[in-house]
Order: sequence, then structure tokens, then C-alpha cells
Amino acid sequence: GDSVTQMEGPVTLSEEAFLTINCTYTATGYPSLFWYVQYPGEGLQLLLKATKADDKGSNKGFEATYRKETTSFHLEKGSVQVSDSAVYFCALRYYGGSQGNLIFGKGTKLSVKP
Amino acid sequence: NAGVTQTPKFRVLKTGQSMTLLCAQDMNHEYMYWYRQDPGMGLRLIHYSVGEGTTAKGEVPDGYNVSRLKKQNFLLGLESAAPSQTSVYFCASSSQGGIRYNEQFFGPGTRLTVL
Repeated sequence: GDSVTQMEGPVTLSEEAFLTINCTYTATGYPSLFWYVQYPGEGLQLLLKATKADDKGSNKGFEATYRKETTSFHLEKGSVQVSDSAVYFCALRYYGGSQGNLIFGKGTKLSVKP
Repeated sequence: NAGVTQTPKFRVLKTGQSMTLLCAQDMNHEYMYWYRQDPGMGLRLIHYSVGEGTTAKGEVPDGYNVSRLKKQNFLLGLESAAPSQTSVYFCASSSQGGIRYNEQFFGPGTRLTVL
């Protein structure tokens, strides 16, 4: 079945460091891909998305490119801030059963130190 | 707009007790979802609804029931709580179409502990 695999955390970086969180997927067809972010004590928020191959999603300095040939959607940011400390979830949109169902990776916790 | 709200925020139950979690959204969304979040497991879909009066099972439906009597509300029930149901529960909603139809909007979560 469809699945998402993302790098295990936690990831600890110093402020202004470069961030990469790897995400690969297995899916039939051509899913839409998402990155959600969960700040401490809150629900998930959509960070960025891409709906077809070679699309690049971007938001708040984060970006990810939908790579069909490598079935990947890696999240990157050139210079992280303490306020980026959160848990990041990669997800794909699954078409089986009902439009809108998401399959999530297990999440990667990012801690940014000043 | 309040977005997606969940009631209660925290709850402690004893094994065998029952309770209902309430989710409400004011965005006129057709689709609503209940997830549970467990350490190292990500989010797993419990049940979902594609419209008022309809519900369907997700990945982990056992031990839970749901109802969607009004479009804006989605209730999650535990008839006989078990310690394995200790988790954080998230409700989400999404629209059927439009520019943001791919996006699910999440509530703040309910932390449930079953002793």
C-alpha cells in the first residue's frame, strides 16, 4: 500500500544552519505531496505542498521539490531559526476510499539552538 | 473564524468508561477526519466523513464510533475505554473543491489518558 518514510529525529541544529529532512514515498499513480508542521502544544499546519512532478512548494523559507524519478519530497531551508523548532510531517494524498485522505510519515522533530 | 475546535482539551478516563470527543468547524467544509497521534507512529486515521450523515472507517477504527449529524460537527466516541487508547486525538476538515481543496485544517488536539 501507499506509504511515506521520513528520516528519524530528533534533529538538532544551530541557528542559521542548513536544514534537510528527507522524505520518500511509495504510491500508486501520482499522489499530491505535503509537508505539515506541528509546533509544541498545537495541531498540524500545512507548510507547503506540490501536486505534480517537478513542482516546487515553498513557504516561510522552506522548500521541497516533487521528484518522481526518486519518489522523494525532501524539505530544505537555507538558514533555520529558533522559531522553526517543531515536528515536521511529510504526507501524501491517498485516493483510495475518499478524496482528501492523507498518509503521514512518523514525523521528524527539529530543535534549533541559539 | 475559529477554524477547527475540539472539546475537551484534556481528559483522564478509567478503563471501561465511555466518553465523546467533539469537533466543530466553521469553514463549511464537507470532509472531516479523526486521527490519533502516538509517539513514533505519526498520525493514523481513525474515521472520516465526506458529508453530513455519512461516516467511514480509516486505518485504525476498532474501539471507536463516530457520528456526523450536522455538517459542522464530527463526534468521536469511545464506548469502553482501554489503556491502548491513550493518545492525542486530532480532528481535521477539508473542502471538497476550490483552491485549498488539498489542505486539511487541524484542531488543537485532545490529550486522553486511560488508566
